[in-house]
Amino acid sequence: DVKVTQSSRYLVKRTGEKVFLECVQDMDHENMFWYRQDPGLGLRLIYFSYDVKMKEKGDIPEGYSVSREKKERFSLILESASTNQTSMYLCASRYRGRETQYFGPGTRLLVL
Amino acid sequence: GESVGLHLPTLSVQEGDNSIINCAYSNSASDYFIWYKQESGKGPQFIIDIRSNMDKRQGQRVTVLLNKTVKHLSLQIAATQPGDSAVYFCAESSMYSGGGADGLTFGKGTHLIIQP
Repeated sequence: DVKVTQSSRYLVKRTGEKVFLECVQDMDHENMFWYRQDPGLGLRLIYFSYDVKMKEKGDIPEGYSVSREKKERFSLILESASTNQTSMYLCASRYRGRETQYFGPGTRLLVL
Repeated sequence: GESVGLHLPTLSVQEGDNSIINCAYSNSASDYFIWYKQESGKGPQFIIDIRSNMDKRQGQRVTVLLNKTVKHLSLQIAATQPGDSAVYFCAESSMYSGGGADGLTFGKGTHLIIQP
């Protein structure tokens, strides 16, 4: 069974804090993705990674960075959290060359 | 990327009836389509997919229809159950997506409400 997990379901942080969101998949997928989901805007791609130590900017990378040191783990970093980064963050993964992405349960982040 | 949208933001159906959720896409080069179900507070869950060389594909209680002529995709759910209540959204990809996205382009979603 496909399994994508995210480190936290809910997070509350203060403006200016550095925030780490972790995603782990156990399917040996090469590609991993980070999205944010906001009402009325749908899913928007922040960053993705083709493989270990590889990363590409998505549609809205500003204010975020990522890290992919191991194949199974893809981290999203908010260098200095701001209130407009309050959102639902979704991680996904897939096999290289396949289109189907499998999602984690999401992390709902509130920045005060 | 190209826009992928849904005709109706909310669809209300009686339990036991069939549901049809529609999706329009604008990228004529799209060659793969997928439907996700997202229950409240959870991540999107894969339901069914279809490639552009097909016009119909069936799963368990679900059918996806693809009309490439009018760039329209639909998800049919047979004998709708309370557990089908969720937001459903379509996504598409194209081997020509290029740019930095190389992922799926998602629609906004339709909220399916099941009435008893």
